[in-house]
Amino acid sequence: DAKTTQPNSMESNEEEPVHLPCNHSTISGTDYIHWYRQLPSQGPEYVIHGLTSNVNNRMASLAIAEDRKSSTLILHRATLRDAAVYYCILRDAGTASKLTFGTGTRLQVTL
Amino acid sequence: DTGVSQDPRHKITKRGQNVTFRCDPISEHNRLYWYRQTLGQGPEFLTYFQNEAQLEKSRLLSDRFSAERPKGSFSTLEIQRTEQGDSAMYLCASSLVSGQKNEKLFFGSGTQLSVL
Repeated sequence: DAKTTQPNSMESNEEEPVHLPCNHSTISGTDYIHWYRQLPSQGPEYVIHGLTSNVNNRMASLAIAEDRKSSTLILHRATLRDAAVYYCILRDAGTASKLTFGTGTRLQVTL
Repeated sequence: DTGVSQDPRHKITKRGQNVTFRCDPISEHNRLYWYRQTLGQGPEFLTYFQNEAQLEKSRLLSDRFSAERPKGSFSTLEIQRTEQGDSAMYLCASSLVSGQKNEKLFFGSGTQLSVL
């Protein structure tokens, strides 16, 4: 699977938007961009995924660059419960391969 | 709650002992994954099953590790002759794969193994 690069950590104030970046310059045409997050003492949970177009769901939005070499996970109003490690993962839909996690971005949310 | 269930939540063992973990996936999910996670790292893939067939094993899975999913439902992960380096969180995930390949993985809360 192609590699992703994320900042180690980010901070946000509660109720403000958060933009979590991910670089994936070697992405291939069949790679989907997946985001998972891991709350303290829990297993990862699915957040969102996309291929080319921006995607929205009840948890977050995913903005994908036109050249697909980067993407941004957007939390519209961060809450204390959004404090977690966020993982950006590329997955080849053609092979239905396993998810390969990096070290992710640790998001701290403060009052 | 009908999520992925793992048992036990915590296991403390002495070096050289064998341990076995159990994972109960979400009902009717045909894929089951095992991952291992150490402090400060993301989960590392160990192996996965499609129904009862073990389709892929990581090189991390030494011959001391064995996983089974005998009836395509629950799975067990056994570690023989445990070593201190086996101390980690062992995570199980399940998914439903049908026509489209971008299935969502649902993870359990993990089994924390400490080898003394």
